[in-house]
Amino acid sequence: DTAVSQTPKYLVTQMGNDKSIKCEQNLGHDTMYWYKQDSKKFLKIMFSYNNKELIINETVPNRFSPKSPDKAHLNLHINSLELGDSAVYFCASSRNRGLGEQYFGPGTRLTVT
Amino acid sequence: GENVEQHPSTLSVQEGDSAVIKCTYSDSASNYFPWYKQELGKGPQLIIDIRSNVGEKKDQRIAVTLNKTAKHFSLHITETQPEDSAVYFCAAMRGGADGLTFGKGTHLIIQP
Repeated sequence: DTAVSQTPKYLVTQMGNDKSIKCEQNLGHDTMYWYKQDSKKFLKIMFSYNNKELIINETVPNRFSPKSPDKAHLNLHINSLELGDSAVYFCASSRNRGLGEQYFGPGTRLTVT
Repeated sequence: GENVEQHPSTLSVQEGDSAVIKCTYSDSASNYFPWYKQELGKGPQLIIDIRSNVGEKKDQRIAVTLNKTAKHFSLHITETQPEDSAVYFCAAMRGGADGLTFGKGTHLIIQP
């Protein structure tokens, strides 16, 4: 069984489009995250979401918005895509906020042309 | 905010030899230090972690050491095997914080 899953694995789209990436975890965790990995493989936190509380990294543009229909899902919506948004996006989850032991999904490679 | 430095960026060792990757952190309030292994095309996989109340932790061929005074921690892999080849990331986090701060990664190459 896959603990943290993401769809799609690859996403190619044009500048200006709006797209979504889905994430689901079956670990029963309370906290979920989105990370961005750039072309140099640097991983950076974008959001954490716990019990309807969203913590946003201040450097993330407001074109990015996470949405959580329930505790097991945290989707990432991106509006007006730009070339610089091209990266690999990872979803992760942990038992609770600040308790470490984060488990990552397989990633979604987003390419904006 | 927290800043994590990781060295080296690339490490090549002979199969069977040991590999050591080092990280330093800046925030003295950080108390959780995981290590992740990322294989090509996959997500980071948690391989070992340590909390600030211990100085060393071992799991088979891998071990992590933590020096809180100097604010640095290291990953040690003994008897390296070809399947150890991957990118390794260290990270740090404060209690109650939101998200991990990662180092820039070390590409470990195991030479047969």
